[in-house]
Amino acid sequence: GAVVSQHPSWVICKSGTSVKIECRSLDFQATTMFWYRQFPKQSLMLMATSNEGSKATYEQGVEKDKFLINHASLTLSTLTVTSAHPEDSSFYICSATTGTGFFNEQFFGPGTRLTVL
Amino acid sequence: AQRVTQPEKLLSVFKGAPVELKCNYSYSGSPELFWYVQYSRQRLQLLLRHISRESIKGFTADLNKGETSFHLKKPFAQEEDSAMYYCALRANFGNEKLTFGTGTRLTIIP
Repeated sequence: GAVVSQHPSWVICKSGTSVKIECRSLDFQATTMFWYRQFPKQSLMLMATSNEGSKATYEQGVEKDKFLINHASLTLSTLTVTSAHPEDSSFYICSATTGTGFFNEQFFGPGTRLTVL
Repeated sequence: AQRVTQPEKLLSVFKGAPVELKCNYSYSGSPELFWYVQYSRQRLQLLLRHISRESIKGFTADLNKGETSFHLKKPFAQEEDSAMYYCALRANFGNEKLTFGTGTRLTIIP
């Protein structure tokens, strides 16, 4: 149980185009989803926290107009990289939680590799 | 603000030897600490958390508040332990954000 999927697993796009990445919780309802970015051989950096039905909370330094997050349902969150540029090339990972509290756990998706040419 | 430090980017250990992956944190309150593991070509997954006080795959980790550390240990390394290990901190209840360390790549030498 507690599986999180991402689609696509990889995408290559031209500079200036927009790319949408989907994150789905397959067998549970996710009250909260998180979006991370991971550069090669570096750690995961949290970009934003997404709660169903409300606006995402972005971390300092993350441009909310560039990285649009929509959390339309309890099983789906999307990240849209708008007007992508080569410096946006990275590995994007989402995670989902079932609730809050001590024993809550984040389940991670497999990640999406974005390459902007 | 919280911070997690993993001083070793790379660690190589012979099979059967003890393993210790270091993790230190900085946080003024009472944090919750985790170890996540990422095997080759697989997603990140939870290995263990300090509140569970359990041993997973032979690994244990004890939260030392005095030294602000949460080192991961295993007495006898196995080849399948080769992976990327991340230490993470969650600051408080109701805020589910995780702060990750930079990770340690563990390689077990046969």
